[in-house]
Amino acid sequence: GAVVSQHPSWVICKSGTSVKIECRSLDFQATTMFWYRQFPKQSLMLMATSNEGSKATYEQGVEKDKFLINHASLTLSTLTVTSAHPEDSSFYICRAGGGTGELFFGEGSRLTVL
Amino acid sequence: GQSLEQPSEVTAVEGAIVQINCTYQTSGFYGLSWYQQHDGGAPTFLSYNALDGLEETGRFSSFLSRSDSYGYLLLQELQMKDSASYFCAVRDRKTTDSWGKFQFGAGTQVVVTP
Repeated sequence: GAVVSQHPSWVICKSGTSVKIECRSLDFQATTMFWYRQFPKQSLMLMATSNEGSKATYEQGVEKDKFLINHASLTLSTLTVTSAHPEDSSFYICRAGGGTGELFFGEGSRLTVL
Repeated sequence: GQSLEQPSEVTAVEGAIVQINCTYQTSGFYGLSWYQQHDGGAPTFLSYNALDGLEETGRFSSFLSRSDSYGYLLLQELQMKDSASYFCAVRDRKTTDSWGKFQFGAGTQVVVTP
């Protein structure tokens, strides 16, 4: 199956700072990547769809100015949490590639904002 | 609205059989997938059903009844390593992006005891 790498796995930052999370497709080109957010014991909530070479499409209720997404190449999408606050602490997961039924996820990034 | 319902938690002993049900109500339906997620890890693909019936993959099997908007994941010969969250996901639209958008259930926490 496709390999999706996400970095960093863990990040702790101070309130008010910005954090960048990278998602790479290692063995294929992905014109579309997806970013999810997951709170403890809850489901994956789609935040935005990242499109290579164009603006991301955000889900309703997701602040595009707070969660900046850049998909500058066919193998890399980045999510930047700007001016992070404790309520932004969560598990962020990217998805790329996949066939009709099988989806490939990154390893996830756990963000803790102090 | 769109929703996927699955039990929040199931506990069973090693060697037992567990069935996780998933009922869905979505605007469209193109297939039901199942994913396993260990705590702090990425969801990993288990199975996919686009047509009615049972799909068997080793100790795991998945079933779909489109007329009942219902499916289940069957875990047999439970092992301690099967302790994880299990999500059902529905592909609810067919877009130019073949992976489309998926709706995820809230997840079922399976606890395997000795």
